[in-house]
Amino acid sequence: GAVVSQHPSRVICKSGTSVKIECRSLDFQATTMFWYRQFPKQSLMLMATSNEGSKATYEQGVEKDKFLINHASLTLSTLTVTSAHPEDSSFYICSAPAGGNYGYTFGSGTRLTVV
Amino acid sequence: DQQVKQNSPSLSVQEGRISILNCDYTNSMFDYFLWYKKYPAEGPTFLISISSIKDKNEDGRFTVFLNKSAKHLSLHIVPSQPGDSAVYFCAARGTGTYKYIFGTGTRLKVLA
Repeated sequence: GAVVSQHPSRVICKSGTSVKIECRSLDFQATTMFWYRQFPKQSLMLMATSNEGSKATYEQGVEKDKFLINHASLTLSTLTVTSAHPEDSSFYICSAPAGGNYGYTFGSGTRLTVV
Repeated sequence: DQQVKQNSPSLSVQEGRISILNCDYTNSMFDYFLWYKKYPAEGPTFLISISSIKDKNEDGRFTVFLNKSAKHLSLHIVPSQPGDSAVYFCAARGTGTYKYIFGTGTRLKVLA
């Protein structure tokens, strides 16, 4: 089946630094990648939609300059959290349409902790 | 405004019994619904789906029921097993889009 590989699974960084999260579709081409953020005990909140070869579409309230998304190829999308602050600490998950009736295929998520 | 709601944040069920997880939505244009299961620190995994043209879909121990007039769907797990303990999300989308709206999740705990 369709697999999305997400790395790293866990990262701790200092305030002010940037962190890059990668999502790769392993056995299918992901022309679209969705990036979600989940706070404890809350739903998955869509942050942005990336499309291969074009600019990402951000949801209302999401800072474009803060969360840089690049979708340079049909198998790779990246999210860079720039100048990270403790409030950016969260669980970030990517997903791609997998076709058929399976909706999304999700990555395994990245737990970001900013200290 | 939360378009997809799961009003029960948690549910405990004895092993072997039925687990019923509920989900309500407000947008009558939603036409496809999914249930996902999520373990801590992992991405969600797909469980079962249902189209608005159906009122029931069954896959092994999992059955999803859709009541369009009530804008309500439910996931039944029978019999419940300890390995089913996880957070369950329902999600809904409108026609022609992969942009799903997720509920807030229900944490199911199946007691051995």
